[in-house]
Amino acid sequence: DAGVIQSPRHEVTEMGQEVTLRCKPISGHDYLFWYRQTMMRGLELLIYFNNNVPIDDSGMPEDRFSAKMPNASFSTLKIQPSEPRDSAVYFCASSPAGLSYEQYFGPGTRLTVT
Amino acid sequence: QKEVEQNSGPLSVPEGAIASLNCTYSDRGSQSFFWYRQYSGKSPELIMSIYSNGDKEDGRFTAQLNKASQYVSLLIRDSQPSDSATYLCAVAGYSTLTFGKGTMLLVSP
Repeated sequence: DAGVIQSPRHEVTEMGQEVTLRCKPISGHDYLFWYRQTMMRGLELLIYFNNNVPIDDSGMPEDRFSAKMPNASFSTLKIQPSEPRDSAVYFCASSPAGLSYEQYFGPGTRLTVT
Repeated sequence: QKEVEQNSGPLSVPEGAIASLNCTYSDRGSQSFFWYRQYSGKSPELIMSIYSNGDKEDGRFTAQLNKASQYVSLLIRDSQPSDSATYLCAVAGYSTLTFGKGTMLLVSP
């Protein structure tokens, strides 16, 4: 099994630009999660999907952030416009059974906004 | 605001010793508890889950849960330098999942 796949692994962009992060969950996992990790705030759950439907987006920091899951094998997290304070590592994770069960994390995307 | 608190460390132990990592949480309705290990520059990896009061052992790892005290701990026996990492405590309720900021563990040879 390939595990959770994320792209790109690194992204450097200028303030004001649109950023799109991509994730492919493990096949057969019905739940997909997006996280952001910074030194100051730790690992924060941004949004999660069940069967491609967003269940809870209360962790999304602002309207500049949006996430979609058009099918079971692909999800995107978009930031538009990006700001320097969005610089962080963004992880995608998937799970066969939800919040209360084991999650498998992707390698992460390190985003730097200058 | 549901909170999960961990001492940031670093916790330094010699090789072969027992490392004890602690976590407290604020939500009494929490149902599931996890310990993830994260090596520097890598993604979190689940090492233990616990759902009921008491101890759960898996190899060199023991998770302990005390819901009355809202306290979760992780014991690592016979610590190895390869255990050096940040350990994240995660607590799940019915519709929430909150991670602590992690405790850095350093195991010296």
